[in-house]
Amino acid sequence: DTAVSQTPKYLVTQMGNDKSIKCEQNLGHDTMYWYKQDSKKFLKIMFSYNNKELIINETVPNRFSPKSPDKAHLNLHINSLELGDSAVYFCASSPGGFGRGRDEQFFGPGTRLTVL
Amino acid sequence: KQEVTQIPAALSVPEGENLVLNCSFTDSAIYNLQWFRQDPGKGLTSLLLIQSSQREQTSGRLNASLDKSSGRSTLYIAASQPGDSATYLCAPSGAGSYQLTFGKGTKLSVIP
Repeated sequence: DTAVSQTPKYLVTQMGNDKSIKCEQNLGHDTMYWYKQDSKKFLKIMFSYNNKELIINETVPNRFSPKSPDKAHLNLHINSLELGDSAVYFCASSPGGFGRGRDEQFFGPGTRLTVL
Repeated sequence: KQEVTQIPAALSVPEGENLVLNCSFTDSAIYNLQWFRQDPGKGLTSLLLIQSSQREQTSGRLNASLDKSSGRSTLYIAASQPGDSATYLCAPSGAGSYQLTFGKGTKLSVIP
């Protein structure tokens, strides 16, 4: 009964490839997020997504795009992978929509992406 | 732009000690603040959520305080145990996008 799950757990790929990471939450939450944790363990927000409204961190390259087939899923697509994209990517979710800033966020186990 | 600082960066204590982890943030316009723990190679586990209107929140041996006006939060761990060894992360939720901004964490080691 995993709350927030991600697949795959590990992803190793070559520079220039396109890859996707999947995220699913079974908590019935309205808002989902993607975070990136770099090699120095610094965790930064990439996207927030709620009911077709997307908020993008201004530092995220447009090679990264979130796609949500339904409320329970927010997948991360990455085009033309670069060495600097190597990191751990975390998905998270929270109960309310935007404007419900009081909500607690729950995180998935992470996906370790290595670009060779 | 919100900036979060956590002090100390690392802390090593003997089992049984009480300890305090500190977090400061530059923008006091927050909605809430969460404390997480992260074990090596694992995801984040939410420990406590303090709303901006609250000053304190408790869960078991953990107590978190929030002084929003001065931009500070502390996490107090009572009677520390080796199982408490992990990296502790502080993350205020800001206005606008309600996204969390993380500090770099405090790496805690509790020695048996």
